[in-house]
Formats: sequence, C-alpha cells, structure tokens
Amino acid sequence: DTAVSQTPKYLVTQMGNDKSIKCEQNLGHDTMYWYKQDSKKFLKIMFSYNNKELIINETVPNRFSPKSPDKAHLNLHINSLELGDSAVYFCASSQGLAGLSTDTQYFGPGTRLTVL
Amino acid sequence: GDSVTQMEGPVTLSEEAFLTINCTYTATGYPSLFWYVQYPGEGLQLLLKATKADDKGSNKGFEATYRKETTSFHLEKGSVQVSDSAVYFCALSAGTGGSEKLVFGKGTKLTVNP
Repeated sequence: DTAVSQTPKYLVTQMGNDKSIKCEQNLGHDTMYWYKQDSKKFLKIMFSYNNKELIINETVPNRFSPKSPDKAHLNLHINSLELGDSAVYFCASSQGLAGLSTDTQYFGPGTRLTVL
Repeated sequence: GDSVTQMEGPVTLSEEAFLTINCTYTATGYPSLFWYVQYPGEGLQLLLKATKADDKGSNKGFEATYRKETTSFHLEKGSVQVSDSAVYFCALSAGTGGSEKLVFGKGTKLTVNP
C-alpha cells in the first residue's frame, strides 16, 4: 500500500491556466506538507497543515492555495500558472506530535509540473 | 534563520570506494538531523536520522553522527555500490507543536561506476 500518494504524476499545461494536485496519506498522520523542488533539485517548504489547520505558509504567492478537506488529504490549487511554477511538487506527512521536531516526514512520489 | 550547507556535487566513485558527503548546519535550539535519498525518478526516502548530540544514525551501511561542537552531520559509507547512485539531501527539522518543517541542503548527486 502506498503511504503517501499524489496525482497526477505529470502535469503539462499552458501559462495562465488553473490546475490542482492532490495528495493523500494513509499513515494516520496529523501533519501534511507541500514542498517545491526546482530545476537544480533544491527543495523548499511551501505549506504545512496540522489536523486541517494551516500552520506554515512560507511566503508563497497567493496564486497557490492549499486545501485540506480532512487530515488525510492536502490538495494544492494553483491559479494563473506562470513559467516559473514549473517544478516538481512533493507532498509529505508526519505524525506531528506536539512539541517534537524528531518526527520523520514521509514523502510522496512527486508531481512534475511543466508550464509552457 | 536555519540553514544547511552540503558539499557540492556531483560525486563520482568506483564501486567499493569510501564515501563521505559533508553537511554542516546553522540552527537555533536543538534540531533533529536527517539524510534523505532520492533515486532517479522517485520521491525522497529517509535514509537515517539523529535527534540529539552524539547520536549516530545508520541504515543500509550508511552512517552519520550528530556533532554539536562542529555543527556537522557528515554521511559516510565504507563501500559504495552501483545501486547507491542517487541524490542525497541533508536536512534539519526545527519547530514545535505541529510547526515542524524540514530545511534542506542543496543535495549531492552521487554516481557509482562498476
């Protein structure tokens, strides 16, 4: 069974379009994340949610809107796509025990977004 | 702010060679330290971690020791295999109460030749 799954795996779209990426985890974790990996492989956090509540928003343009319908799902919607949004987007989850930074984060397989 | 500095790659080794990938960090408080590995076309997998000073993380022949005095967490393996070819990321985790986030180094690409 896949622990953290993302759909789609590949997404090719035109500039200006709106698109969504879905993420689901079956680990029973409380915290979910979105990371962006650029063309040089650099990974940076975008958002985190703990039990459906937004915790971290790392100065991401407001064209990016995460939505967490329940604690097992964290979707990422992107409006008015730009060329610079082309990247690999990774979803992750962790147990999210309060007061601990020792938790392991488990990553999904990534969604490669290409904006033409 | 918190940051991780990793040695620049790419690193190319022959099978059975010794591997070291250097990693140093800057952080307030007491972060946990991680090495993640990304095989071609795949997501990140945890390789090993250490949560306090002098802890040694180990997995699949890889080791790293949390050195608070030198703020380092260098990755080592005594004898690499072709299957170890991947990108390796050093990371620290900071924050509490659900606000934990990983701060990554820039990654080191390792190629092992037969």
